[in-house]
Amino acid sequence: DTGVSQNPRHKITKRGQNVTFRCDPISEHNRLYWYRQTLGQGPEFLTYFQNEAQLEKSRLLSDRFSAERPKGSFSTLEIQRTEQGDSAMYLCASSPTGGRNYGYTFGSGTRLTVV
Amino acid sequence: AQSVTQPDIHITVSEGASLELRCNYSYGATPYLFWYVQSPGQGLQLLLKYFSGDTLVQGIKGFEAEFKRSQSSFNLRKPSVHWSDAAEYFCAVDNVNQFYFGTGTSLTVIP
Repeated sequence: DTGVSQNPRHKITKRGQNVTFRCDPISEHNRLYWYRQTLGQGPEFLTYFQNEAQLEKSRLLSDRFSAERPKGSFSTLEIQRTEQGDSAMYLCASSPTGGRNYGYTFGSGTRLTVV
Repeated sequence: AQSVTQPDIHITVSEGASLELRCNYSYGATPYLFWYVQSPGQGLQLLLKYFSGDTLVQGIKGFEAEFKRSQSSFNLRKPSVHWSDAAEYFCAVDNVNQFYFGTGTSLTVIP
């Protein structure tokens, strides 16, 4: 069990560019979550997957955001036409089904800076 | 609506002193409650959780928390703080498939 892995750790991009982040969950966890954390705030829910199915999306996930988990293993989060307001830490977490009984395991996050 | 309030933005304690971090929640049903810790630039590490049973729960690193339904609180405690406990602490309530986090309490430990 190597934990939840996120890449890259840091990403600096120019406004208007597209960026993609990757998350590799704990292998036996079938649930995967994306959260966004801005400076001085707690993480906010973006979306979650049960295996390859995206089951819930937050209103924070605008049309410029898309997340996939094609084979029920790793997941990607893409942001198109980045804006300065997208600057944040993007956290991935995974859990078994019934995650509320166990808590989530979080990765170290990808810090995005849009300049 | 579900929400979590952490009234203390920042707390400073001396090493060896006791610690209590406050958390109040709003949730319609029996809450599933969690405390996480986050070191600078890092992800969140689970300290402890509560969803049933004994209202005093023990976690890692010597932390404990007490669920008080009448006060809608889930305060985190540690009897003797170590310098390595300096970090950001988040309380969260689970809403079936997503967590609602508080805004966090930043802990500074002075020698």
